[in-house]
Amino acid sequence: EVQLVETGGGLIQPGGSLRLSCAASGFTVSSNYMSWVRQAPGKGLEWVSVIYSGGSTYYADSVKGRFTISRDNSKNTLYLQMNSLRAEDTAVYYCARATYCSGGSCYGVRYFDYWGQGTLVTVSS
Amino acid sequence: DIQMTQSPSSLSASVGDRVTITCRASQSISSYLNWYQQKPGKAPKLLIYAASSLQSGVPSRFSGSGSGTDFTLTISSLQPEDFATYYCQQSYSTAITFGPGTKVDIK
Repeated sequence: EVQLVETGGGLIQPGGSLRLSCAASGFTVSSNYMSWVRQAPGKGLEWVSVIYSGGSTYYADSVKGRFTISRDNSKNTLYLQMNSLRAEDTAVYYCARATYCSGGSCYGVRYFDYWGQGTLVTVSS
Repeated sequence: DIQMTQSPSSLSASVGDRVTITCRASQSISSYLNWYQQKPGKAPKLLIYAASSLQSGVPSRFSGSGSGTDFTLTISSLQPEDFATYYCQQSYSTAITFGPGTKVDIK
């Protein structure tokens, strides 16, 4: 059974740093496209970052230069290192696995088929 | 970045109603469009991928259509467990974007 469990959230002061973890089971993180998606209180979903199976990483403009996505293959765990945190980074952070459709009418489409339960990050003084 | 819009932003409906939600992309995204359902305090759940493919385990009353810039999610007969917020999401570009959501509540 596929499972994603995020940890590491909490209350942090503006300018501080926090590292989120997403422990995966039932599949191999390094063989998959993994993302972080966040949701500010009462707001919609915002994609934050992705790491491809090959190791390439990409970020939303809102976090570029401040956040770093990585993975530990030995622990089958995804991370999000968040530096220079701002009040607007306050959100529930979800990790999600994306499946790539490799054939048929959905060829090339990636979709988030598994999500963690989320971890709340609150940036406030 | 590709901008996604949804309409309506919210709607009230009754059990048994047919519900249609529209999603529009700021440029053509072919069929790189997915739909999610989210209930309060829960993670999003995949309903439809590649515009019209039903995710395994999702009831057949959910369907999706469209390509290019205009897409729809239809619930053929609304059930009590369907009251939730629905998001579209494009995966055409590396910078994934979600629509702002459509909240479906009880009339």
